[in-house]
Amino acid sequence: DAGVIQSPRHEVTEMGQEVTLRCKPISGHNSLFWYRQTMMRGLELLIYFNNNVPIDDSGMPEDRFSAKMPNASFSTLKIQPSEPRDSAVYFCASSFEAGTDNEKLFFGSGTQLSVL
Amino acid sequence: KQEVTQIPAALSVPEGENLVLNCSFTDSAIYNLQWFRQDPGKGLTSLLLIQSSQREQTSGRLNASLDKSSGRSTLYIAASQPGDSATYLCAVPDQDAGGTSYGKLTFGQGTILTVHP
Repeated sequence: DAGVIQSPRHEVTEMGQEVTLRCKPISGHNSLFWYRQTMMRGLELLIYFNNNVPIDDSGMPEDRFSAKMPNASFSTLKIQPSEPRDSAVYFCASSFEAGTDNEKLFFGSGTQLSVL
Repeated sequence: KQEVTQIPAALSVPEGENLVLNCSFTDSAIYNLQWFRQDPGKGLTSLLLIQSSQREQTSGRLNASLDKSSGRSTLYIAASQPGDSATYLCAVPDQDAGGTSYGKLTFGQGTILTVHP
């Protein structure tokens, strides 16, 4: 398996533009997570899905952020409009046995977002 | 709300030393704890997962222990090598009132380890 695949690896955009980050989880995994990592706040969970259904989006910072999971093999995180304070590394992760004592989380390589 | 703290924030050691990284968490009602490694510019890789019924897990030169009652875990790295240089993070499930987490994890801030030749 290729692991969790994220695209793009790097994104540089101007303030006010729409940004779409993409994620393909590991085949067979039923939970998907979007995290954001910054030096100041570390890793923050934004939203997670279980069986394609959003379970908790309380970590989404503002209405400018939205996430979808139309099927088991694809998810997007959209920021519209983007702002400089959104600059961070955005990680997607997936898990098969989420919520059990044997759960393991597998991370993608991340998208480095820079909003100028 | 679960809080995870890692000490030290950074550690620099010469090659060959044995070292210990510490992790503490505020809510001891966890069903597992994971240690991750993150290399610069990369995602996180799960190193070890300790189930609540276990006291420790070993993988090669790594040994992780868990003491739920005291809210502590340690990651022991034996005979450290320059290739061990990375950030090490611990994470515990963030469970709702019913004890379900759906895999939602709370991470510590990490320990930045540098092993110099």
